[in-house]
Amino acid sequence: AQSVAQPEDQVNVAEGNPLTVKCTYSVSGNPYLFWYVQYPNRGLQFLLKYITGDNLVKGSYGFEAEFNKSQTSFHLKKPSALVSDSALYFCAVRPLEYNNDMRFGAGTRLTVKP
Amino acid sequence: ETGVTQSPTHLIKTRGQQVTLRCSSQSGHNTVSWYQQALGQGPQFIFQYYREEENGRGNFPPRFSGLQFPNYSSELNVNALELDDSALYLCASSFHTGDNSPLHFGNGTRLTVT
Repeated sequence: AQSVAQPEDQVNVAEGNPLTVKCTYSVSGNPYLFWYVQYPNRGLQFLLKYITGDNLVKGSYGFEAEFNKSQTSFHLKKPSALVSDSALYFCAVRPLEYNNDMRFGAGTRLTVKP
Repeated sequence: ETGVTQSPTHLIKTRGQQVTLRCSSQSGHNTVSWYQQALGQGPQFIFQYYREEENGRGNFPPRFSGLQFPNYSSELNVNALELDDSALYLCASSFHTGDNSPLHFGNGTRLTVT
């Protein structure tokens, strides 16, 4: 089955430090991978996507993600974290069997401390 | 540009009752998907509508049904509510039912079944 996994429930970083939120995927063929962020009592907001091409994808709010085919990973990164980045982050994959669903990981709660 | 709006924001129902949740898609979007997000979990795909037809369905029973209207607004109906139906229900629209189209989410309807 095509899916993503987020191995960390919680990530804590200090403001100004780099952050990484991890995601691994299990898909057949070329994956379509996404990152979304969810703030309290809000829906999910699209951050970035990987379809093909350059392995380093740049997205909104200074976030980027690195696609690594050999490690089947798609980690979300930011060079310098802000307190306002504190939120719930979801990795997602759209399977190729084309049921039109997008499959989400369980989420990682990022806390950035001042 | 008008984003995705959902109503109501909160709802409390009793087990066995029926509920209808509503969604207005982002302008220019013709595809709508519904997701269920239980507490502490990632969103789970319920179904998608494209051109007023169901265009893919996740692992949800038939008592979960939907409609899409000519103006691309949508409804999610749940019959015979169960306690486990308590969740945040998210509507998401996209321009086309393509593999790499990002989803634009509403803020959700929080349903509590007692």
